[in-house]
Amino acid sequence: ELKVEQNPLFLSMQEGKNYTIYCNYSTTSDRLYWYRQDPGKSLESLFVLLSNGAVKQEGRLMASLDTKARLSTLHITAAVHDLSATYFCAVSHPYNFNKFYFGSGTKLNVKP
Amino acid sequence: DVKVTQSSRYLVKRTGEKVFLECVQDMDHENMFWYRQDPGLGLRLIYFSYDVKMKEKGDIPEGYSVSREKKERFSLILESASTNQTSMYLCASSPFSGTTYNEQFFGPGTRLTVL
Repeated sequence: ELKVEQNPLFLSMQEGKNYTIYCNYSTTSDRLYWYRQDPGKSLESLFVLLSNGAVKQEGRLMASLDTKARLSTLHITAAVHDLSATYFCAVSHPYNFNKFYFGSGTKLNVKP
Repeated sequence: DVKVTQSSRYLVKRTGEKVFLECVQDMDHENMFWYRQDPGLGLRLIYFSYDVKMKEKGDIPEGYSVSREKKERFSLILESASTNQTSMYLCASSPFSGTTYNEQFFGPGTRLTVL
């Protein structure tokens, strides 16, 4: 079974600081997804990373994928309070792209 | 705009009851999924469906069944609810796996409490 580990699980940071969330997975996969979940809400898609070396940026968030290291990172630049949420990474099964495996999530709290 | 809806946001049931959770998507997606979300465990796949009347077990199918009679609708059934099925249930849909992104789109979730 494909395992996905995120760290840290909890992250409390000050506004204006930078930080990185890590997502490691256990089996080769070329497809990785990042989602955001606000309290009481559903998951919102942030990024889809489809190949080794893929990098995508949206506002203060940048995601990258290293398939050889089986690692994706979500980098937060100059955090603002509005980024407070839980972030999940998900990896698709190498032979069945429909089947996703999710990490436990990283709960980010950005303090003003 | 992509839309996945779930029949209830909150549901309270008693142990032993049969429970139906409904999910509808309006994107003409082939694939539909049911997950449960528990603190510290992320999302775990219960069942998924590639097409009408097709279903496949996910990682935690025990105690659940599903039904997909129409393309847009995917139902999760708890045959005899138990307290350990208290959880947040999320439905998702995605287009045919041959498309590049294969992104899953999620509904708002149903928080089920079994007493």
